[in-house]
Amino acid sequence: GAVVSQHPSWVICKSGTSVKIECRSLDFQATTMFWYRQFPKQSLMLMATSNEGSKATYEQGVEKDKFLINHASLTLSTLTVTSAHPEDSSFYICSAGLAGGVNEQFFGPGTRLTVL
Amino acid sequence: TQLLEQSPQFLSIQEGENLTVYCNSSSVFSSLQWYRQEPGEGPVLLVTVVTGGEVKKLKRLTFQFGDARKDSSLHITAAQPGDTGLYLCAGDWSGGYQKVTFGTGTKLQVIP
Repeated sequence: GAVVSQHPSWVICKSGTSVKIECRSLDFQATTMFWYRQFPKQSLMLMATSNEGSKATYEQGVEKDKFLINHASLTLSTLTVTSAHPEDSSFYICSAGLAGGVNEQFFGPGTRLTVL
Repeated sequence: TQLLEQSPQFLSIQEGENLTVYCNSSSVFSSLQWYRQEPGEGPVLLVTVVTGGEVKKLKRLTFQFGDARKDSSLHITAAQPGDTGLYLCAGDWSGGYQKVTFGTGTKLQVIP
């Protein structure tokens, strides 16, 4: 149980285009999902907390107009990188937690974004 | 901003050796998780510790939570090449279901 999927697993796009990444909880409902960014050989950096039915909460320094998050249902959150530039190239990972009990998160397999 | 420092940052050892990874903070955790991540994949949850002084074992991996719940360690006995990966601790200060903060990570390489 507690499986999280992401799509696409990798994407290459031209500078200036927008890219949408989907995060789905396959066998459970997730009121809250999290979006992380990871640079090579570094740890995960939380970008935003995605709340079903409400606006996302962004971490300090993360541009909300550039990284649009939509959490339309209890099993789907999307991250759209708008007007992508080469510096946005990174590994994007989402996670979701099971409600109740201790705070454990289950991660998707990640999406490798390369902006040319 | 709560910080989680992991040490060492990098570790390269021979197969069969033992190792310990540390995760330290000045803040008290409600709970702490350890994850392992392989290149190009998402982190996989290994264990969650909640109670101060708690020790959990997962085959050759032993996880310990500090008595004051400010630090944790991961000990691997007789490391194998399959243990290679990025080990991450993640702390929850708030309790309940909210965001966690990840440690700086420890990159482990086990050489056959």
